[in-house]
Amino acid sequence: DIQMTQSPSSLSASVGDRVTITCRASQSISSYLNWYQQKPGKAPKLLIYAASSLQSGVPSRFSGSGSGTDFTLTISSLQPEDFATYYCQQSYSTPRITFGQGTRLEIK
Amino acid sequence: EVQLVESGGGLVQPGGSLRLSCAASGFTFSSYEMNWVRQAPGKGLEWVSYISSSGSTIYYADSVKGRFTISRDNAKNSLYLQMNSLRAEDTAVYYCARPDQIRVDYYYYYYMDVWGKGTTVTVSS
Repeated sequence: DIQMTQSPSSLSASVGDRVTITCRASQSISSYLNWYQQKPGKAPKLLIYAASSLQSGVPSRFSGSGSGTDFTLTISSLQPEDFATYYCQQSYSTPRITFGQGTRLEIK
Repeated sequence: EVQLVESGGGLVQPGGSLRLSCAASGFTFSSYEMNWVRQAPGKGLEWVSYISSSGSTIYYADSVKGRFTISRDNAKNSLYLQMNSLRAEDTAVYYCARPDQIRVDYYYYYYMDVWGKGTTVTVSS
């Protein structure tokens, strides 16, 4: 199985900050990488697919980059509604997808 | 409105069985593959099972293989997960999720863009 490792596991930041979350795959996955946001008690929400494509309706302050084994999710200016947990997910081995362990983004 | 609604969760004893359902609406269910994804309390997301649009191709995570059975009824726009020999470690919120894909150049990129709200399964004596 392809292992996905996110860093950091948790992060404290303030409204207006620029934040970057990293995801590393255990083998090259080209650009087969998605990012999801999950708020407590809610289902995950797709933010980014194919490493850098913004899902319809997602604010442009979210962006993704990377290919191969190293990927980043960047939030350019944190808003109050962005405090949540973020997951990367590889689709290289579809349908046997795997997720990162999550990054919890908290208010400083 | 595109929607997935799970049901069937509850409290069950170790070794017991439970059948989850996922009702789809707002899209042509029979045209889409489907997945079950679970999340243990305070933990991350874990893919559980996949079924093709026709139901002819099925995959399971190693953690549930031989105990869980995924199925679908396209006439009823419904997805199912039969869970047998349940263990404490199966305790989780179970989500059904609709995958979709987009073609970019010669490549198809796969993602899950529609999720249900989840149903909670608790395995405990």
